[in-house]
Amino acid sequence: GAGVSQSPSNKVTEKGKDVELRCDPISGHTALYWYRQSLGQGLEFLIYFQGNSAPDKSGLPSDRFSAERTGGSVSTLTIQRTQQEDSAVYLCASSSTVRTDTQYFGPGTRLTVL
Amino acid sequence: AQSVTQPDIHITVSEGASLELRCNYSYGATPYLFWYVQSPGQGLQLLLKYFSGDTLVQGIKGFEAEFKRSQSSFNLRKPSVHWSDAAEYFCAVALQAGTALIFGKGTTLSVSS
Repeated sequence: GAGVSQSPSNKVTEKGKDVELRCDPISGHTALYWYRQSLGQGLEFLIYFQGNSAPDKSGLPSDRFSAERTGGSVSTLTIQRTQQEDSAVYLCASSSTVRTDTQYFGPGTRLTVL
Repeated sequence: AQSVTQPDIHITVSEGASLELRCNYSYGATPYLFWYVQSPGQGLQLLLKYFSGDTLVQGIKGFEAEFKRSQSSFNLRKPSVHWSDAAEYFCAVALQAGTALIFGKGTTLSVSS
């Protein structure tokens, strides 16, 4: 079956612009996670959604970052007023159940802020 | 704060030699433990995971890992490395099932011929 997909695969933007990154989880997966991978910080958790529960936003680095998950499926990560330090690969993952389960990762979106 | 340590940033192993990548975690209880691999330009692929039970777990591509509670370690091993194993390897923990993963900084594996 299809895995986690993300779009775009690459995004180049200018400092100060807003960007939207999209994640399509594996069909039927109830949990969805966003991570960021950068040279300086490694892999960092950003936010996760579990079913209809309120998302865990504890990893978001600033209020410029937000995410939505519509209809319990597709998710969009929005970064407002991008800064150069936002340049990173943004990874999305999904998992099927809360207990004893595994996160499956998408290929990521490489964001470059000029 | 909870943390995951991968002490080796870069390891070079000869093709056919054995491999061990180290991972230590800092957490009061036994977390859920994972090893992921990332090849250049690729996403993260799960190699193996440990939740409970037998402390030696088998994964894909001939990898195995052993959980040692007394050492808070979850080291990854492979008896004979292939050139295609060259990649970056990440150890990760989840404090509870379904929660966010906490990753180590990763170990880059190079394979020499």
